[in-house]
Amino acid sequence: DAGITQSPRHKVTETGTPVTLRCHQTENHRYMYWYRQDPGHGLRLIHYSYGVKDTDKGEVSDGYSVSRSKTEDFLLTLESATSSQTSVYFCAISEKDQGATNTGELFFGEGSRLTVL
Amino acid sequence: GEDVEQSLFLSVREGDSSVINCTYTDSSSTYLYWYKQEPGAGLQLLTYIFSNMDMKQDQRLTVLLNKKDKHLSLRIADTQTGDSAIYFCAESPSGGSYIPTFGRGTSLIVHP
Repeated sequence: DAGITQSPRHKVTETGTPVTLRCHQTENHRYMYWYRQDPGHGLRLIHYSYGVKDTDKGEVSDGYSVSRSKTEDFLLTLESATSSQTSVYFCAISEKDQGATNTGELFFGEGSRLTVL
Repeated sequence: GEDVEQSLFLSVREGDSSVINCTYTDSSSTYLYWYKQEPGAGLQLLTYIFSNMDMKQDQRLTVLLNKKDKHLSLRIADTQTGDSAIYFCAESPSGGSYIPTFGRGTSLIVHP
C-alpha cells in the first residue's frame, strides 16, 4: 500500500473556526491532490500540487487554501469553516508521466471526515 | 456537463454478474480506470485498460472499451457480497494535464 496518512481522521468543529487537514506521504511522489466527497457529487477536486510550493486550484477551491513546503506534506486549510464544508476529504498522490511502468494511478488516503456545526 | 458519466446505483443478487457502465468524452485519454471504494475507506485502483485495447480480463473482472462510442464497462462475474462498494470510472489526463477525471461513482449493492 502507498504510504499516505491523513490527519485528523475525524474532526467536529464550529462555524467560523479555522481547520487544517494534513496529508503526509512517504512515497516521494511529485503530485498531491485534495478531493472532497459528497453524496450525489462523487469526488471533486479542491486543490492540487505539482511540486514543492507549486499548487493550483481545482473545481471547488473557494473557501480553501493549501500549502506544500516539502515533498511529503500537503496541507489543506479552511480559514473559516462553514456548514457547507462538512464532507469527507481525501488526499491522493501520483506521479505525472505515464511511462511504461506508470499508469497514472492515483493512490488515496483513508479520508478525513469533517463536520462543521 | 460531466466529462465522465455513470449511473448512480446498481443492485444485483449474489452469484449473478454485475455490469457497470461509463461514458467519457476525452478521446485522447491514454488509460481508463476503475476504482473501488469500500465503506469508510479511500479509493483503490481495481483495474485499468490501455486505450489501444478492447478488452481486459482479470479473474472475475472484465473491462470492455468501445472507443468509437467512448463507452467503458466493468463486468464482475459471480458477484459476491464483498463486492458491495462504490465503483468509480476515471479517464487519464491528456493534453499535458495530470488531473484525472472521475465519474460520480456507482453504488453496487449485492443481495444475498
